[in-house]
Amino acid sequence: EAGVTQFPSHSVIEKGQTVTLRCDPISGHDNLYWYRRVMGKEIKFLLHFVKESKQDESGMPNNRFLAERTGGTYSTLKVQPAELEDSGVYFCASSPTGYEQYFGPGTRLTVT
Amino acid sequence: QKEVEQDPGPLSVPEGAIVSLNCTYSNSAFQYFMWYRQYSRKGPELLMYTYSSGNKEDGRFTAQVDKSSKYISLFIRDSQPSDSATYLCAMSGVTSYDKVIFGPGTSLSVIP
Repeated sequence: EAGVTQFPSHSVIEKGQTVTLRCDPISGHDNLYWYRRVMGKEIKFLLHFVKESKQDESGMPNNRFLAERTGGTYSTLKVQPAELEDSGVYFCASSPTGYEQYFGPGTRLTVT
Repeated sequence: QKEVEQDPGPLSVPEGAIVSLNCTYSNSAFQYFMWYRQYSRKGPELLMYTYSSGNKEDGRFTAQVDKSSKYISLFIRDSQPSDSATYLCAMSGVTSYDKVIFGPGTSLSVIP
């Protein structure tokens, strides 16, 4: 069974540019999460989809971040325009139940 | 005060030692407690999760939860060099829709 995949693995962009991160969850997992880890800090929740609906987006830092989940399958997280403080590792996780979450390898975003 | 505290280490032990990793937390609403292992440049991997207080054992790993003290532990018996990684505790509330809160992680090195 394929795990959670994320693309790209690494992205370097300039301040003010737009970046879109993609996550493909494990097939059949209705729950999809986005998390972020900035340097030296703990992993922090961004938002939670159940199928195509946003269950909780209370962790989204501001309106420069937009997440979508098309047809309850893959999800994208767009940052527009990117700021320096957006640099970090963005993780996606999926879960069949909400308790055990399976993480992808992460996308390392560097904003210069 | 952070919701979840964890000694970042690094912790270095000889192969075969018993390792004890710990977290404290402040939110008494937490009911689910998880331990993740993260290798460098990889996503977190769920090792174990427990509900409420008590112990859970899986092979060389034992998780303990003491809700009265707001303290959780992960014990690794007969530690191996392949156990060298960062260990993250995480916890959430009673429903599957509650956010998961992560500790900052403890870096462990098992020396052959």
